[in-house]
Amino acid sequence: SQQGEEDPQALSIQEGENATMNCSYKTSINNLQWYRQNSGRGLVHLILIRSNEREKHSGRLRVTLDTSKKSSSLLITASRAADTASYFCATDQYGNKLVFGAGTILRVKS
Amino acid sequence: DVKVTQSSRYLVKRTGEKVFLECVQDMDHENMFWYRQDPGLGLRLIYFSYDVKMKEKGDIPEGYSVSREKKERFSLILESASTNQTSMYLCASSSIRADTQYFGPGTRLTVL
Repeated sequence: SQQGEEDPQALSIQEGENATMNCSYKTSINNLQWYRQNSGRGLVHLILIRSNEREKHSGRLRVTLDTSKKSSSLLITASRAADTASYFCATDQYGNKLVFGAGTILRVKS
Repeated sequence: DVKVTQSSRYLVKRTGEKVFLECVQDMDHENMFWYRQDPGLGLRLIYFSYDVKMKEKGDIPEGYSVSREKKERFSLILESASTNQTSMYLCASSSIRADTQYFGPGTRLTVL
């Protein structure tokens, strides 16, 4: 079974609004990462947060991690049409590989 | 700039054919990965390699094999393609095993 489960499965918002996606996981992790995938393309790494961090920022992205609840959220502020993509969380279970969730499809309407 | 390339963007093969998918990275990364992506299932790891000539099975290795003869190149082989192997195949590399991965553009394989 997948380690990361994203919520919601799909999200549609207006340009300028904020988008929040959530990820839950089941076991202890070393780090959690978020990736973006534009339609039919490869994944692009967005941000990595380690298990001893609670919050991280990168431009318009804000990621939080709550290890007690085994969950993370990705916030995209002031969304743009170009943010339309699928977003995946991936977890490192102190192993040698990442486990990806099924993703959240974000549509930003202009 | 980091670059992972895959030999084909689109590929159509017939059932029973032997299929080779090639992946090349120019970042001198030790680790390379092959995933398949299907709607609603996310990415599932097929095989990975952490060194030349080394390989480890991922979550769904059945029906696949891999080859890593050179550090920069990781090949995925479908010994006898079947229709249930129709999928998007993504290659990735990383310098540290479970750290940031860099992905290629993907190969959309259709098996008829």
